[in-house]
Amino acid sequence: AQKVTQAQTEISVVEKEDVTLDCVYETRDTTYYLFWYKQPPSGELVFLIRRNSFDEQNEISGRYSWNFQKSTSSFNFTITASQVVDSAVYFCALTRGAAGNKLTFGGGTRVLVKP
Amino acid sequence: NAGVTQTPKFQVLKTGQSMTLQCAQDMNHEYMSWYRQDPGMGLRLIHYSVGAGITDQGEVPNGYNVSRSTTEDFPLRLLSAAPSQTSVYFCASRDGASTYEQYFGPGTRLTVT
Repeated sequence: AQKVTQAQTEISVVEKEDVTLDCVYETRDTTYYLFWYKQPPSGELVFLIRRNSFDEQNEISGRYSWNFQKSTSSFNFTITASQVVDSAVYFCALTRGAAGNKLTFGGGTRVLVKP
Repeated sequence: NAGVTQTPKFQVLKTGQSMTLQCAQDMNHEYMSWYRQDPGMGLRLIHYSVGAGITDQGEVPNGYNVSRSTTEDFPLRLLSAAPSQTSVYFCASRDGASTYEQYFGPGTRLTVT
């Protein structure tokens, strides 16, 4: 069975601080994909990144960066110089390589960025 | 493209009533799924479909039925609503040929009293 754990339920920071969201996953598959989604207060789910199990390169996109470490089964997400617009719930998710339509989600981390 | 659309946006039901949540996508995606979101639990898969005429159960299928008669539509039926089905429901679709990214609809907030 697959499992995704986001141990931090809520993080509160002041604008311009960095914030790191932890994601730990469990799977027996050798091929799998990891995702991060953002859910702003308006409620829609916004895709942020996809990473496959064979690509352990870290990725940076603007103020967002992701650290994938297979050895610790973690896929952490950092927001640098946070802004009020970053306030949202962030979900980490996992899917099997051959059944990519079945996403297993973590419980989400609510990020509150105060001005 | 409208992407993934869901109707209604909000719905209140009484226990025992039935209803259908509508989901449509105009991206010609093969794969479609229904998830429910409950506080603190993330999203959980209810049912999914890998193409017209093919559906299968996800993690929490009890109390829900689906069918997929066309590529575009994937309705979710609540047979006899229960308070435990109060949740936000998301429909998603994915292009099976290329990426594993799922595109989500805006959600339907359902309250069962």
